[in-house]
Amino acid sequence: GAGVSQSPSNKVTEKGKDVELRCDPISGHTALYWYRQSLGQGLEFLIYFQGNSAPDKSGLPSDRFSAERTGGSVSTLTIQRTQQEDSAVYLCASSLFRGDKETQYFGPGTRLLVL
Amino acid sequence: GNSVTQMEGPVTLSEEAFLTINCTYTATGYPSLFWYVQYPGEGLQLLLKATKADDKGSNKGFEATYRKETTSFHLEKGSVQVSDSAVYFCALRQPGYSSASKIIFGSGTRLSIRP
Repeated sequence: GAGVSQSPSNKVTEKGKDVELRCDPISGHTALYWYRQSLGQGLEFLIYFQGNSAPDKSGLPSDRFSAERTGGSVSTLTIQRTQQEDSAVYLCASSLFRGDKETQYFGPGTRLLVL
Repeated sequence: GNSVTQMEGPVTLSEEAFLTINCTYTATGYPSLFWYVQYPGEGLQLLLKATKADDKGSNKGFEATYRKETTSFHLEKGSVQVSDSAVYFCALRQPGYSSASKIIFGSGTRLSIRP
């Protein structure tokens, strides 16, 4: 079946512009995660959504970052007034929560370059 | 707080060599432990996991044993192939019986296999 998809696959923008990154999770998955992978670094947790619960925003690096999940499915990560240090690969993952049996499935990522 | 430490790369080996990538963790209680792999140009994939002490995860010839006493989850393979060249991430997740929870990733280890 279809996996997690993300768009665009690549995004080049100018410093100060806003960008929106989209994630389509696997159908039926209740949990959705956003991570950031900077060059040469590990994955940094940003935010996750679980069902109708309030999202865990503890990983968002600044108030320029926000995310929403509409209808419990598609999610959009928005970065306002982009800075060069925002350049990274942004990864989305989804899962069907089953306690310790939960497995997260990752999308291919959106590579963001801020000039 | 929770954290994962894995050996720095890059690691370069000849084909058919024995591989060990060290991973240690800091966490409260009994987290679930994972190894993820990212092949060149592809998204992150779950390689193997273990959810309780002394469990051994295995997949594609790779193995890792959950060692509570040494808080380790080292990745091993007896005979590597060129196709194993990738970046490997060790990760943990705190048990979340009432809600999903984020995964904490290590910084990744780049593995290159010479023919």
